[in-house]
Amino acid sequence: QVQLVQSGAEVKKPGASVKVSCKASGYTFTRYYMHWVRQAPGQGLEWMGIINPSGGSTSYAQKLQGRVTMTRDTSTSTVYMELSSLRSEDTAMYYCARDYCSSTSCYLDPWGQGTLVTVSS
Amino acid sequence: QSALTQPASVSGSPGQSITISCTGTSSDVGGYNYVSWYQQHPGKAPKLMIYDVSNRPSGVSNRFSGSKSGNTASLTISGLQAEDEADYYCSSYTTSSTPDVVFGGGTKLTVL
Repeated sequence: QVQLVQSGAEVKKPGASVKVSCKASGYTFTRYYMHWVRQAPGQGLEWMGIINPSGGSTSYAQKLQGRVTMTRDTSTSTVYMELSSLRSEDTAMYYCARDYCSSTSCYLDPWGQGTLVTVSS
Repeated sequence: QSALTQPASVSGSPGQSITISCTGTSSDVGGYNYVSWYQQHPGKAPKLMIYDVSNRPSGVSNRFSGSKSGNTASLTISGLQAEDEADYYCSSYTTSSTPDVVFGGGTKLTVL
């Protein structure tokens, strides 16, 4: 079955960087784009960006431009999201979600289990 | 402030029906039929409930239905059950180069 498994929780100090991984299985990794979405405690979902695992091209949310980098390793079917210059407002659950898009249909499914990133001094 | 507007909360009694609205613009909800709805229970990842405005994934109860009119999409849950109590988020792909996807602020459904 299609599955996304993310890396474990992280605790970082302000100003540091964090790199979260998302390993895909059960489908052809390079066939579908991957989104990253985050959710601050008690808040809603925020789209962060998307990566094409085939060519590596990316598109990022404007507010995160310059601080976020999404990469992939096709040999291990894994995508990565790195966020730098961390601040307390970046404390959130971070999710990867597969972009299922065809000529007539588009949605995010499935989602990873989430990775909690806590930024605290 | 979220790109799509949802009511913060709705409630209903078991067996009743409720509808959650999701209002966007012609650049997202009104421009595409790529509106999805996600259910999120506390401490869990979002789960796809409706895609492409009105389609249900395999395994999702037919008590869940979706529709769209202009820039507003709606999720209706009929025959409310206790397990439906959760947060619900709408999302839409956009015609902009970025963001590719926008979400609503979420609606807390309480089953009384």
